[in-house]
Amino acid sequence: NAGVTQTPKFQVLKTGQSMTLQCAQDMNHNSMYWYRQDPGMGLRLIYYSASEGTTDKGEVPNGYNVSRLNKREFSLRLESAAPSQTSVYFCASSDRNNSPLHFGNGTRLTVT
Amino acid sequence: DQQVKQNSPSLSVQEGRISILNCDYTNSMFDYFLWYKKYPAEGPTFLISISSIKDKNEDGRFTVFLNKSAKHLSLHIVPSQPGDSAVYFCAASAWGGNKLVFGAGTILRVKS
Repeated sequence: NAGVTQTPKFQVLKTGQSMTLQCAQDMNHNSMYWYRQDPGMGLRLIYYSASEGTTDKGEVPNGYNVSRLNKREFSLRLESAAPSQTSVYFCASSDRNNSPLHFGNGTRLTVT
Repeated sequence: DQQVKQNSPSLSVQEGRISILNCDYTNSMFDYFLWYKKYPAEGPTFLISISSIKDKNEDGRFTVFLNKSAKHLSLHIVPSQPGDSAVYFCAASAWGGNKLVFGAGTILRVKS
């Protein structure tokens, strides 16, 4: 079982460039999430999708957009990357409320 | 304003001894709490959870204690093993909610 798969693993962008982080899960989970991890700040929720066709903002949504393409896939887009978006990005999924999240292995993004 | 706080950035413990990791929260609406473990270059993995109707939950070497009046929870690992060396994140959500709020993490080092 692959679980939650994120691509790419690493990415370097110049300020102003755009990119899309991909995430797919094979556990038939309804909910999917994007978090970012920064030193000393833990994981902060960017956006989430409670079910296919819905998306909602989390704690730090500015500068990001998301698409829930289907039940399996949830992508995160940076339209104009900024150095403050240098971080490790984690995608996660869960099958219902109050159940543990299953995380991918992350994408390490550097914006210069 | 961090709603979930892990005030100890790191902890070092001898193999075979008890590891105690602490977490405090400020939001009285939180009633579901989880601990995650994270190794370098991997995503967080779920370890153990507790709901507010309990004050203790055990799973093998791992026990989580919840003190609702103090808004405090702790994770006990007994006995500690070198493979337990990782970053441990405390997380919380409101019951029925689907957004986890994470603490900043505590680095546990178990020395052999």
